[in-house]
Amino acid sequence: EVQLVQSRPEVKKPGESLKIACQGSGYEFNGYWIAWVRQMPGKDLEWMAIIYPGDSDTKYSPSFQGQVTISVDKSISTAYLQWSSLKASDTAMYYCARELTGFDYWGQGTMVTVS
Amino acid sequence: QSVLTQPPSVSGAPGQRVTISCTGSSSNIGAGSDVHWYQQLPGTAPKLLIFGTTVRPSGVPARFSGSKSDTSASLAINGLQAEDEADYYCQSYDGSLRVFGGGTKVTVL
Repeated sequence: EVQLVQSRPEVKKPGESLKIACQGSGYEFNGYWIAWVRQMPGKDLEWMAIIYPGDSDTKYSPSFQGQVTISVDKSISTAYLQWSSLKASDTAMYYCARELTGFDYWGQGTMVTVS
Repeated sequence: QSVLTQPPSVSGAPGQRVTISCTGSSSNIGAGSDVHWYQQLPGTAPKLLIFGTTVRPSGVPARFSGSKSDTSASLAINGLQAEDEADYYCQSYDGSLRVFGGGTKVTVL
């Protein structure tokens, strides 16, 4: 069974750094793009970035380029989304999703609260 | 401002047909890019509803269908049911970038 399991909710202060995780299982992790999607409270979905674990090729939305960094650790089938200095406006639910044709499997989401 | 434009809300009575539009441009839908649709129930992660513009994944009821014309795509729900009350998002590609619509809330009257 394909699963994407995300790390627990986080409460941080402005200026702090953070790295959240998304671990894939039940499929060949290296062979599928993994995307990160933001959903601010009560708002729509925003595509942030995507990474191909096989060669770490990455693409960022212009809205998020320079604001976050995505990476993978193939040895543990895990993708990461990180911030070096959080802002209150980063408060949101963050989803990871596997891309095949469309985003066919999603993680449960990680709520990040910056306050 | 989303790259793909959706109506904020649509509504219908049980059993009715509703459609949700997703308007793009010549750089995304109009360039021949696939369109995918997602359903997001309250408090849950999105779920893939339609991929490749018209294809329903296994387990998605046949009352959901997708279509595309020029720079727009549509999701139709034939025979609206109470459990269809949710937010719906379209998604496509703009070059190598993935783009979402702003989402449409479907209300069952």
